[in-house]
Amino acid sequence: SQTIHQWPATLVQPVGSPLSLECTVEGTSNPNLYWYRQAAGRGLQLLFYSVGIGQISSEVPQNLSASRPQDRQFILSSKKLLLSDSGFYLCAWSAGQPGDTEAFFGQGTRLTVV
Amino acid sequence: GENVEQHPSTLSVQEGDSAVIKCTYSDSASNYFPWYKQELGKGPQLIIDIRSNVGEKKDQRIAVTLNKTAKHFSLHITETQPEDSAVYFCAASSNQGNLIFGKGTKLSVKP
Repeated sequence: SQTIHQWPATLVQPVGSPLSLECTVEGTSNPNLYWYRQAAGRGLQLLFYSVGIGQISSEVPQNLSASRPQDRQFILSSKKLLLSDSGFYLCAWSAGQPGDTEAFFGQGTRLTVV
Repeated sequence: GENVEQHPSTLSVQEGDSAVIKCTYSDSASNYFPWYKQELGKGPQLIIDIRSNVGEKKDQRIAVTLNKTAKHFSLHITETQPEDSAVYFCAASSNQGNLIFGKGTKLSVKP
């Protein structure tokens, strides 16, 4: 069966520090991968999605970047965190056409920038 | 771009009553409409979905209806139980190849 792992579960980082959140998927090949951010009262905001290795689409211009170095690995990064980067970050994967099938979410990372 | 509006933002019901959450979407090309349930501190999980070629789908106490002409779809939960308390999100597929989510509904079921 397919599983998605996302870590860490919680993270407290100072303003200006770098960020690296990692997500891996097991039990499937060539998944579509997504990074979402969830802020209170704003629902799920798509940040990046990837349909293959090295292929990254950015939905919202901001302080973050994403990379997909391997088929089932998706990384969310920042060189210098801002206070506004605080939130709940969710990694997800889907099979088939992006947005056309069920998305499976990880357990999320609660990021607090202080 | 595609926009999904979800109402209400909060909903409180007595155990055993029904709960209805409504969403509207803007892109007439949307053809996939999933509903997700998110419990506190966890990632969302799919509870039911519907495609544009059907108008209604039911799974035990949960049902979803879709009106393509009006571009709205609804989640119906009957005989609510305390464990139904969570945040529910609707979503619609976009022509850019991803899901656009509503802002969520916090459902509280009081015993």
